Amino acid sequence: DAGVTQSPTHLIKTRGQQVTLRCSPKSGHDTVSWYQQALGQGPQFIFQYYEEEERQRGNFPDRFSGHQFPNYSSELNVNALLLGDSALYLCASSSFNSPLHFGNGTRLTVT
Amino acid sequence: GQQLNQSPQSMFIQEGEDVSMNCTSSSIFNTWLWYKQDPGEGPVLLIALYKAGELTSNGRLTAQFGITRKDSFLNISASIPSDVGIYFCAGHSGGSYIPTFGRGTSLIVHP
Repeated sequence: DAGVTQSPTHLIKTRGQQVTLRCSPKSGHDTVSWYQQALGQGPQFIFQYYEEEERQRGNFPDRFSGHQFPNYSSELNVNALLLGDSALYLCASSSFNSPLHFGNGTRLTVT
Repeated sequence: GQQLNQSPQSMFIQEGEDVSMNCTSSSIFNTWLWYKQDPGEGPVLLIALYKAGELTSNGRLTAQFGITRKDSFLNISASIPSDVGIYFCAGHSGGSYIPTFGRGTSLIVHP
């Protein structure tokens, strides 16, 4: 049974570019959450998707957007990249009343 | 917003020693979660707590949900080298699907 899978594992982009990160949830999970983890910090909540809609959003600008597909997989898009967007982006899946299960993340470096 | 204070920030111990770390919140939580993150990987759920006063074990790990519902602790008994990593507490209050994470406790175990 595959857990949460994320792609790509690493990515290097230039300031001003746009990036799309992808996530497939654990089997049986219907909810996907995205977190940003800066070096030496805990994960910071970006947003959560359920039934193909954004259910809750953290304190991140509109440059961060997402999507959930009918098969529950999800994408995170970041526009107009800044140097400060460099971080590990974690996807986590869950179902009703279950704790989050995380993928191994995508390491984004913005130069 | 909710804030979590996790301590200590780092620990350097000898193999075989017991470890204790804790987390306090500025608000009441209904759920406490403890995760471990190894380098290059996503956080892995260790223990989930759902009721004030609850004490739960997972092998050599024991965690408790504080009576005030504003704190939790994690103990590791007889530490081994593979316990090395960063331990995160997380919690959320009723009505929120989104756990808030602490900044982590970095554990180093000397053989």
